[in-house]
Formats: sequence, structure tokens, C-alpha cells
Amino acid sequence: KQEVTQIPAALSVPEGENLVLNCSFTDSAIYNLQWFRQDPGKGLTSLLLIQSSQREQTSGRLNASLDKSSGRSTLYIAASQPGDSATYLCAVRGDQGGSEKLVFGKGTKLTVNP
Amino acid sequence: GAGVSQTPSNKVTEKGKYVELRCDPISGHTALYWYRQSLGQGPEFLIYFQGTGAADDSGLPNDRFFAVRPEGSVSTLKIQRTERGDSAVYLCASSLNAGDYGYTFGSGTRLTVV
Repeated sequence: KQEVTQIPAALSVPEGENLVLNCSFTDSAIYNLQWFRQDPGKGLTSLLLIQSSQREQTSGRLNASLDKSSGRSTLYIAASQPGDSATYLCAVRGDQGGSEKLVFGKGTKLTVNP
Repeated sequence: GAGVSQTPSNKVTEKGKYVELRCDPISGHTALYWYRQSLGQGPEFLIYFQGTGAADDSGLPNDRFFAVRPEGSVSTLKIQRTERGDSAVYLCASSLNAGDYGYTFGSGTRLTVV
């Protein structure tokens, strides 16, 4: 059974700092990995999607890497801003035939202080 | 519509009652997913539709939970004989098609069973 772990559970940083969020998964047989952002009381916003054949994806100040064989992904946020404060969730989709479900971690709650 | 719409946004019901939660996916999206998110946890998969049919309902916790998508668009998640443990945020997501595409999530329905 796939399990996804995110470390740290919470992180507080001053504005402008570069930071790394970690995600690990127990079964390396994944189809893709996705990072989401969740604001309080809101749904999930997709940030980056990495296919299993890819090593990284970039969008603006965000960069996500994937090391499938070791079961790890990192989300790098450059020059953090108070508006980046949210919970960041990592989710993997298995590559078993017909499996469309995502398995999520519990998230990392990020606070960026002005 | 422009996004995934879920109604109601909040629902309070008494233990033992029946509830229906509605999801309007993005127009043209053939894949639709239901997830449940308890406090402090990541979302957990419930059921996935491709068109009108439930392609994977392995996440439904028991037979009190049922979901339909009769015309391949709007979906309704139905919960019978609600229990306090059913209290959670129920999230719906849609995707252009199952496969390589990312998900778009709605804002969720917060269900509270008292």
C-alpha cells in the first residue's frame, strides 16, 4: 500500500528566504507526482505535475524535483513571500493499470512572515 | 463553468440523517473524482468516474456511501444514516480525461454531523 510522508509538518520562515519542502513515498511504481497548494477553507490548487519519466518541473519561483527510484520529491520555493503561506500537499498516482487515484501526504503548513 | 463547483459549501446534519453533496465539474471534463479530507489529514480517495460509470469505487468506506453521475457531468455523493465520523470536507475534482492531465479541485463541502 502506497504511503506518502511530508516533512516538516509545519515551517515558519522570514520573507525572502529560499525553502525546501520534502515528500517521500514508499512504492516507487508511480505514474506521476503532483504538488498542490491549499489555502484555509479552500480546495486544492495544482502547482506542478511531474511525470515519472521526468526529473523536475519549474513554474515561476517554484521548482519540483523527482527521484523516483529513491521515492523522494522536493518542492523548492525561491524568495518566499507572505502570499506563499498555505499548506502544501504532495500526491502520487500509481502506475497500476487503471489506477487513477491519488495518494496524498498530510501536507506541510508554511508560514512566511513579513 | 470556469471551475469545479460544489454545493452546498457547508452542511450540518443530525446523526442518522441522509445527505447529498453535489459536484459540477468543468465543462467537457470526462473524469470526476471524490475525495474526503479529515482535519489535519491529506485528502483520501473515495471514488472515480470516467463518463457515467464508476471506474473505481474502492475508496468508499462502507455501503452507506454511494455516488452517481447519470449524464456524465454532474455527480452526487450520497451518504445514508450519517455518523459523527463522517464529518469532513468532501472534495470533488475533475480532469479533461483520465491519464496525463492534472486535476482541478473544487472548494469542497464541509460536512458536520452532530
